[in-house]
Amino acid sequence: DVKVTQSSRYLVKRTGEKVFLECVQDMDHENMFWYRQDPGLGLRLIYFSYDVKMKEKGDIPEGYSVSREKKERFSLILESASTNQTSMYLCASSSAGTGAYEQYFGPGTRLTVT
Amino acid sequence: GNSVTQMEGPVTLSEEAFLTINCTYTATGYPSLFWYVQYPGEGLQLLLKATKADDKGSNKGFEATYRKETTSFHLEKGSVQVSDSAVYFCALSQYSGAGSYQLTFGKGTKLSVIP
Repeated sequence: DVKVTQSSRYLVKRTGEKVFLECVQDMDHENMFWYRQDPGLGLRLIYFSYDVKMKEKGDIPEGYSVSREKKERFSLILESASTNQTSMYLCASSSAGTGAYEQYFGPGTRLTVT
Repeated sequence: GNSVTQMEGPVTLSEEAFLTINCTYTATGYPSLFWYVQYPGEGLQLLLKATKADDKGSNKGFEATYRKETTSFHLEKGSVQVSDSAVYFCALSQYSGAGSYQLTFGKGTKLSVIP
């Protein structure tokens, strides 16, 4: 079974702190994704990566950056956390190549910025 | 751009009732379509998928048929159980380059099933 793990289920940070959210997948997937989930807005893509050291902006990249130094690990960084970044963050991974491969999701990190 | 519209919830049903959650999409070309489910406190899980027109995806008693003519992918189940209480997301997938497919999600429909 594909397993996607996220470093924390719950996180509380202060405004202005630098925040790291870590995601690890164990299926050798090429693609990895970071989403945020907010009530009434569904899931919105922040960044994705299709290879090590490669990244692409999603729909809402402002205020975030990412790092992918190893194939299995994809980090989301909030350089200076703000209260409007309080949200549920979901990581996902998928295979590359032809065909529409489904994405596999981690359990999510609920981040609160105070 | 691509978009997915699904019926707004919440939806409350009695156990053994029939379920329909409507989903329509806008996309260029021929996307693949998915239904994901999110149980309380968990991440999303793939429920079913369809990759071309007239395909029917099915899993755990849930079904959805890819209707290209109406650009729809409605989720149905004949008899819901309390354990089906969750949030359901419709999504489409299209190629975004470099071997990567991006998902576009609907906003989710919360289903509550009462005994």
